[in-house]
Amino acid sequence: GAVVSQHPSRVICKSGTSVKIECRSLDFQATTMFWYRQFPKQSLMLMATSNEGSKATYEQGVEKDKFLINHASLTLSTLTVTSAHPEDSSFYICSASQGASYTEAFFGQGTRLTVV
Amino acid sequence: AQSVAQPEDQVNVAEGNPLTVKCTYSVSGNPYLFWYVQYPNRGLQFLLKYITGDNLVKGSYGFEAEFNKSQTSFHLKKPSALVSDSALYFCAVSSPSGAGSYQLTFGKGTKLSVIP
Repeated sequence: GAVVSQHPSRVICKSGTSVKIECRSLDFQATTMFWYRQFPKQSLMLMATSNEGSKATYEQGVEKDKFLINHASLTLSTLTVTSAHPEDSSFYICSASQGASYTEAFFGQGTRLTVV
Repeated sequence: AQSVAQPEDQVNVAEGNPLTVKCTYSVSGNPYLFWYVQYPNRGLQFLLKYITGDNLVKGSYGFEAEFNKSQTSFHLKKPSALVSDSALYFCAVSSPSGAGSYQLTFGKGTKLSVIP
């Protein structure tokens, strides 16, 4: 199956700094990528949907200035958590879709962000 | 809006016994249904999907699920549980016919514990 690589798997940062998380589709072109946030013992909450070459679509309640998403190529999307705060500590997961004929999304391994 | 319900937070089953993890959905149009498994601090692994065709879908690791349109259900099953099946299971739905139709909506997850 298709492989999605997410990096880093774990990151610890200080409050006020920014952190970038990368999501790469290794063996297919991902026209659409999704970013999710997962709180402990809870489900995945969709944060935003990004299409290559265009601005991301954010879900209601997600601060677009805080969670910057860039989908500059068909194999890479990045999520930057700006001015990180301890409340941003969470598990972030990306997924990628091949687009118009989408029937399945492929997930990255997730990134555990801890803001201290 | 589409939604998924997983009525059980936790399912316990003895090793070797059959297991069932329940899922019901609500969506306008024809549903695409998915099951994913998540191990601690990891991303989601795809188990199986129903798009069209036979109502009984077979997937990875001996899992199967049955699509029941009248009951709007897509329960996950396995004839004989293994201790290694212990994990968090997510049911998800998307629909090809509505706005944002490529978005997956997840259930809250069911923790499966297989007891040796």
